[in-house]
Amino acid sequence: GIQVEQSPPDLILQEGANSTLRCNFSDSVNNLQWFHQNPWGQLINLFYIPSGTKQNGRLSATTVATERYSLLYISSSQTTDSGVYFCAVVWRGGADGLTFGKGTHLIIQP
Amino acid sequence: GAGVSQSPSNKVTEKGKDVELRCDPISGHTALYWYRQSLGQGLEFLIYFQGNSAPDKSGLPSDRFSAERTGGSVSTLTIQRTQQEDSAVYLCASSQTSGGGQETQYFGPGTRLLVL
Repeated sequence: GIQVEQSPPDLILQEGANSTLRCNFSDSVNNLQWFHQNPWGQLINLFYIPSGTKQNGRLSATTVATERYSLLYISSSQTTDSGVYFCAVVWRGGADGLTFGKGTHLIIQP
Repeated sequence: GAGVSQSPSNKVTEKGKDVELRCDPISGHTALYWYRQSLGQGLEFLIYFQGNSAPDKSGLPSDRFSAERTGGSVSTLTIQRTQQEDSAVYLCASSQTSGGGQETQYFGPGTRLLVL
């Protein structure tokens, strides 16, 4: 199957700082999604981005499919950005379910 | 509906009992997925449906797990003879179609299952 690795595993920042989260995957994908899991466990869609660049407010993401990685950028962090960020992919050679990375646990301190 | 809904929100059961978890996908979505999240295994894919058919059941962890979908809408995940290692959050997602997984999957709030 496909491997998905996220880095860093943990990140602690002060409010207002910028951050970059990385997702590496080991094979071709049909789908790549970034999620934010809030303290209540809800997975919130951030981006559907199997390739290219997208922006939504303070968040942006870039996927370079040929080099098998994706980056999530968070600018001007707020305490409400705290939580776990997951990258998930659908492997082109497998079933249609998402394979998740282990996540990046982000803590934004006031 | 406006989003994916799941019931119950929480379920506590005794080892050996059967449980049923329900998922109601976004209206009009033909693809439906089940996942579970546990401390030891992270988030793992269990099964997906395209309409009422489940093309791939290989993600189900044992033959105690089964799922069905009727009318192309609501799905039920059944766990028979529950074990303590089944304790986890069971998440459901839906997408407009499946088509090789090339669609955004939207997740429900999950069912937290605790097996005593």
